[in-house]
Amino acid sequence: DAGVTQSPTHLIKTRGQQVTLRCSPKSGHDTVSWYQQALGQGPQFIFQYYEEEERQRGNFPDRFSGHQFPNYSSELNVNALLLGDSALYLCASSFELSIPNTEAFFGQGTRLTVV
Amino acid sequence: AQSVTQLDSQVPVFEEAPVELRCNYSSSVSVYLFWYVQYPNQGLQLLLKYLSGSTLVKGINGFEAEFNKSQTSFHLRKPSVHISDTAEYFCAVSPTNDYKLSFGAGTTVTVRA
Repeated sequence: DAGVTQSPTHLIKTRGQQVTLRCSPKSGHDTVSWYQQALGQGPQFIFQYYEEEERQRGNFPDRFSGHQFPNYSSELNVNALLLGDSALYLCASSFELSIPNTEAFFGQGTRLTVV
Repeated sequence: AQSVTQLDSQVPVFEEAPVELRCNYSSSVSVYLFWYVQYPNQGLQLLLKYLSGSTLVKGINGFEAEFNKSQTSFHLRKPSVHISDTAEYFCAVSPTNDYKLSFGAGTTVTVRA
């Protein structure tokens, strides 16, 4: 079992550009959540996807959007990048029928640097 | 809304000594409680969780935590640490009817020989 896989592991973008991050959930999982972890801080919830729809969103602007595909994998898109978007982006997957968050597995993250 | 306060940002400790990481939370609804560990350049790994029942929860790698409802705390302990326990530790809460995890700012544990 490969667990939660995120790609790429690192990337550097310029202010104003757009970026797409990808996540493949753990085998058997159907729900994907995204978190932003700024340097020296705890992760902040961006949103969660289930059945290809965003069903809960944290306090992030509309520049942050996502998508879930029929195979349960997910993408996080960020438009008009700001320097403050530099962070580690974590994907977590879980199984809908489990108690929320109690069986969540996290990927190793994508380190985004905006210059 | 929920909030999590980790009372210590950094905890240095000698190998084989005990360690306690303090976590307080606030919430107007019932919550589940979690401790996660993050090793350098890695994602989060679940150490333990409290859902209900016994207030003393045992997790992986010899860690345990105690839920105190009256003090709204969920402190993490380990009786004897190893060098390999050097990492960042996060306390998190989730409302029982919600999908969002709210994390504290983290505690850096540095174990010295």
